[in-house]
Amino acid sequence: ELKVEQNPLFLSMQEGKNYTIYCNYSTTSDRLYWYRQDPGKSLESLFVLLSNGAVKQEGRLMASLDTKARLSTLHITAAVHDLSATYFCAVDTYNFGNEKLTFGTGTRLTIIP
Amino acid sequence: DGGITQSPKYLFRKEGQNVTLSCEQNLNHDAMYWYRQDPGQGLRLIYYSQIVNDFQKGDIAEGYSVSREKKESFPLTVTSAQKNPTAFYLCASSISRINQPQHFGDGTRLSIL
Repeated sequence: ELKVEQNPLFLSMQEGKNYTIYCNYSTTSDRLYWYRQDPGKSLESLFVLLSNGAVKQEGRLMASLDTKARLSTLHITAAVHDLSATYFCAVDTYNFGNEKLTFGTGTRLTIIP
Repeated sequence: DGGITQSPKYLFRKEGQNVTLSCEQNLNHDAMYWYRQDPGQGLRLIYYSQIVNDFQKGDIAEGYSVSREKKESFPLTVTSAQKNPTAFYLCASSISRINQPQHFGDGTRLSIL
């Protein structure tokens, strides 16, 4: 059974600081997605990582994928309050020809002024 | 604008009652998915469908049923067999077998009366 673990589960950080969220998964996959969810809202796609060594950046967020280590990271640079949300990674595995996402438990990020 | 519409936004179920959650998309996506999210947790896959008139069980299908009679629609029925249905339900869609992220609806919050 595929397991996707994120850490930390909760993260409070001050504005202007840097931090990294980690996503470990237990099976071979070279497709990983990052999503953002605001409280009570739907999920918004942030990044699609499709190969070993892939790196994507958007504003203060940067995501990377190491398929050999089965690890993805989401790095936050100089955090601002607007980045407060829950962040999920999701691993894509083919199941008999059908795509299937398995989500991590999420990291609830709170940016403190 | 293209998107995914879930209705209703809030739904209440009485004991022993079946309820149906609606999910409609106008993105011309082949694949559709239903997820359940419990407070403070990640998403768990209930059912998914890659093509009309075909669907597969996800990780927590017991107590749920779906149909896929039209490409645009993928309703989820929460049956009386689902003993703990209180949760936030999210519908998603994607282009099948292409590495693009799933797009999510705004969700339905189901509660027990």
